Amino acid sequence: AQKITQTQPGMFVQEKEAVTLDCTYDTSDPSYGLFWYKQPSSGEMIFLIYQGSYDQQNATEGRYSLNFQKARKSANLVISASQLGDSAMYFCAMRGRDTDKLIFGTGTRLQVFP
Amino acid sequence: NAGVTQTPKFQVLKTGQSMTLQCAQDMNHEYMSWYRQDPGMGLRLIHYSVGAGITDQGEVPNGYNVSRSTTEDFPLRLLSAAPSQTSVYFCASSSGTGTNQPQHFGDGTRLSIL
Repeated sequence: AQKITQTQPGMFVQEKEAVTLDCTYDTSDPSYGLFWYKQPSSGEMIFLIYQGSYDQQNATEGRYSLNFQKARKSANLVISASQLGDSAMYFCAMRGRDTDKLIFGTGTRLQVFP
Repeated sequence: NAGVTQTPKFQVLKTGQSMTLQCAQDMNHEYMSWYRQDPGMGLRLIHYSVGAGITDQGEVPNGYNVSRSTTEDFPLRLLSAAPSQTSVYFCASSSGTGTNQPQHFGDGTRLSIL
């Protein structure tokens, strides 16, 4: 079975600082993908970044990067230079090669203050 | 560029009533899925489909039916609504089942069962 764990229900960060949102996972699939989504207060789900289990380098997309440690089964999201607009819920998700399903964690609420 | 369209955006039902939540995508995506989002529980997979005529159960399928007669549409049916089905429902699609395929989400349907 697949499982995603996000242990930080809420995080605070000051504007322009970096913040790391934790995500650990468990799967028996030999190949899988890890995703991060942002959900602002307006409710929509926005895809941020993807990391494949066989990717040698950590994924980056603008101010977002993924700190992927395969042996530890962790896929932490790093947001650099936080902005007020980054305040939102953030969800980690995983999709295994053999399971077809995208499974989500319970999310972390990030609040950026001036 | 519509993407994934969900209707209605809001709905209030009485216990025992039936209802169909509509989902349509215009990206020719093979994979479609339904999630429900409850506070503190992240997004949980209800049903999914890997193509027209093929559906399967997710984590929380009880009380819901789906069908996939076309590539574009994936309606979710509540046959006899219960208060426990009060939630926000998201439909999502992706171009395939590969582990590198992010899902694109609709804006959600907020459903209240009285």
